[in-house]
This record gives sequence, C-alpha cells and structure tokens, in this order.
Amino acid sequence: GQQLNQSPQSMFIQEGEDVSMNCTSSSIFNTWLWYKQEPGEGPVLLIALYKAGELTSNGRLTAQFGITRKDSFLNISASIPSDVGIYFCAGQWDEKLTFGTGTRLTIIP
Amino acid sequence: NAGVMQNPRHLVRRRGQEARLRCSPMKGHSHVYWYRQLPEEGLKFMVYLQKENIIDESGMPKERFSAEFPKEGPSILRIQQVVRGDSAAYFCASSPRDRSYTFGSGTRLTVV
Repeated sequence: GQQLNQSPQSMFIQEGEDVSMNCTSSSIFNTWLWYKQEPGEGPVLLIALYKAGELTSNGRLTAQFGITRKDSFLNISASIPSDVGIYFCAGQWDEKLTFGTGTRLTIIP
Repeated sequence: NAGVMQNPRHLVRRRGQEARLRCSPMKGHSHVYWYRQLPEEGLKFMVYLQKENIIDESGMPKERFSAEFPKEGPSILRIQQVVRGDSAAYFCASSPRDRSYTFGSGTRLTVV
C-alpha cells in the first residue's frame, strides 16, 4: 500500500528549539492531518487541514496544506519535554487515511 | 464520555491459533476503521465498516483475516491461523458521519 514520504525520520533537538517536518505524496488528498503517537498508545490528532493553502495553528503547532494538495508541513515552536514522541502526517481521501512514515522527536536535556 | 475502547491491550498467540480483537466505538459513532502498524512504520488501512456492513476492505489480506461490526456489540477483527508476520499493533478508529477519526489505544499482537 501507498505511504507518504515524511522527513526527517528523526530529530534530536534541545528544549526551546523550533521543529519543522514535512510530508510529500505523489497523490492529491482532500484533507491533511497531523497526529502524535506516544509509546503504547494510539495516534492523537493534533491539527486537521481541509483546504489547499490553509494555514492552521493549535497553540505552539502550525501546519499548512500545500497548494498542490500533495504536501503539508508541521512546525512546533519553542519545544518542551512533553513534545517527545512520533509525529505522523496522514492524507485523507474519502474515508481512508494514508499515513506517513513518521518523524521521531527526541529532546536532548 | 469514553473514547474508543480496544481489548485486549496485549495478546499473545501461538502460530496456528486464532486471534480476536475487539473494538467498541465512541458513543454515537457508527463508522469503524481498522489499521495495522508494524514496528517503526506508519499505520496502514485495513477495513472500513458501518453497522452490519463492510464498506471497504481493500487493505485486508485476502486470506485468514475477517472483520465484522454487528448491530449489537463491538467490532471484531479476526485473524485465523496466525503466523509470525501477523505480529503488529492493530488500531481501531471510529467516527460519526463527518469523518473525524478518534483512535483507540490499540491491541498489540505477538505471535510466538
């Protein structure tokens, strides 16, 4: 099955730094979603984007739906220890989600 | 307002046994989805069900896997004659009609 290309695969940053990750696809989607997954848990929705070009914020998180409908990025500003986890993008077409390969975020003390 | 409930959280089966994974959707949600996650990978779609109907099973392996969502009771993902390659985390999600998913905490299946 198809997966989205998500980069970077992993990030090691210091507390307080900003984080940026992105997702690209060969197919268009009508919704882009960003999830966070912690060990032993299911994905939790962070931000949903419904329109090409849309820029949406949720606290320190900002995400954009690319104009071509084939890409999206997520930024996290001023990272804190609880931001640690794996972040997944997901493109939605009809009822199905196609997930990216994930970005593992580690915060160095 | 309970979220999506999956049980068991962990399941160990010997090769050749059957695995039954249960998912109770959120109250008021009539759409259920099953996804599988292998270690270090993203989730992959398996099947989409509404009450008593399979809507899309394009991600289900052709053999040994089946899913149902009866009129009463939880949705069940059934894997017959499990093999080591079936070891994974299986996540269920539910949604009302507006397609906004809520995921459960998953069932981690280990085949020994």
